[in-house]
Amino acid sequence: AQKITQTQPGMFVQEKEAVTLDCTYDTSDPSYGLFWYKQPSSGEMIFLIYQGSYDQQNATEGRYSLNFQKARKSANLVISASQLGDSAMYFCAMREGLNAGKSTFGDGTTLTVKP
Amino acid sequence: DTGVSQDPRHKITKRGQNVTFRCDPISEHNRLYWYRQTLGQGPEFLTYFQNEAQLEKSRLLSDRFSAERPKGSFSTLEIQRTEQGDSAMYLCASSLRSDYGYTFGSGTRLTVV
Repeated sequence: AQKITQTQPGMFVQEKEAVTLDCTYDTSDPSYGLFWYKQPSSGEMIFLIYQGSYDQQNATEGRYSLNFQKARKSANLVISASQLGDSAMYFCAMREGLNAGKSTFGDGTTLTVKP
Repeated sequence: DTGVSQDPRHKITKRGQNVTFRCDPISEHNRLYWYRQTLGQGPEFLTYFQNEAQLEKSRLLSDRFSAERPKGSFSTLEIQRTEQGDSAMYLCASSLRSDYGYTFGSGTRLTVV
């Protein structure tokens, strides 16, 4: 089974509106971390936000928030007030286990922000 | 802090040749990772170092791939006897802890002709 599933290959959003990018994950380890990264067309991957499996509250970083639903094994990224510069590929990733190294990435969602 | 540096940015090589890539992580980061990314896919894990110790290596990696991180500083990734299927973007990343996101370099794009 896929460890990280991103079901939306492409998404469009109007500038200044909010958008949700979906991510579901599969693990039997009780300790894990979930990450979102942004990859602009220029190529360099940028870390956005982290959620630990034991965190009680949803993570937020500026305009980014992570809607963590543990029972449903979902970790959706919400971008508020979209900007043209948000147009990029977005990857969800998971690291399993305490002190783990390897992350498993999904295949990404391409977000296009329309003016 | 100048970020993660990778060299070269682009490499074109003939099938069967050996290639070596270098990664300089953020100096305070003791964890270093190599990933491979092909067009339209997410990064695929290759290997992971904590300081100079190589703690994990993907089973997908054939014996043609080897990585080192002498003295826990920069790292090199070598591919021997390159094949066309090795054409990809090779990404290096570093981090301070397991609950920190990676800082990625710009990658080395390998084309095998």
